[in-house]
Amino acid sequence: KQEVTQIPAALSVPEGENLVLNCSFTDSAIYNLQWFRQDPGKGLTSLLLIQSSQREQTSGRLNASLDKSSGRSTLYIAASQPGDSATYLCAVRGSGGSNYKLTFGKGTLLTVNP
Amino acid sequence: ETGVTQTPRHLVMGMTNKKSLKCEQHLGHNAMYWYKQSAKKPLELMFVYNFKEQTENNSVPSRFSPECPNSSHLFLHLHTLQPEDSALYLCASSFHSGLAYEQYFGPGTRLTVT
Repeated sequence: KQEVTQIPAALSVPEGENLVLNCSFTDSAIYNLQWFRQDPGKGLTSLLLIQSSQREQTSGRLNASLDKSSGRSTLYIAASQPGDSATYLCAVRGSGGSNYKLTFGKGTLLTVNP
Repeated sequence: ETGVTQTPRHLVMGMTNKKSLKCEQHLGHNAMYWYKQSAKKPLELMFVYNFKEQTENNSVPSRFSPECPNSSHLFLHLHTLQPEDSALYLCASSFHSGLAYEQYFGPGTRLTVT
């Protein structure tokens, strides 16, 4: 059974810092990995999706990397801003018969202080 | 309205009440999902519908009863709930549940069972 772990559970940084969020998964047979953002009491917004054949994806100040063999992904946020404060969720999609199923981590709560 | 909408956004109900959650997607998708997000736990997939047919019931108690009258609407009927059912219930949709299409999430319904 796939399990996804996110470290740290919470992170507080001053504005302008670069930061890294970590995600690990137990079964490396994945189809893709996705990073989401969730604002308090809100739904999920997709940030980046990395296919299993890719090593990284970039969108603006965000860069996500994937090392499938070691079961790890990182989300790098450059020059953090208070508006980046949210919970960041990592989810992997299996590559077997149920490859639509997303398995989520518990998330990292990020607070960027002005 | 665009994207995935959910109503109500907040719901407080007693253990003997019967209520329903509604989800509507305006994206032309064919698959719809119910997820449960409890405090300090990862998102859990509850039900999957593909072309109005239920394709997944992730061992959900019978006090949760889903209904999918068409590809655009999804309901979750609730009855005799327990306090531990208090959570954020998220709806999502995608083009097809059997393939790795990206899921789009609604804002969620915050349910409190008293």
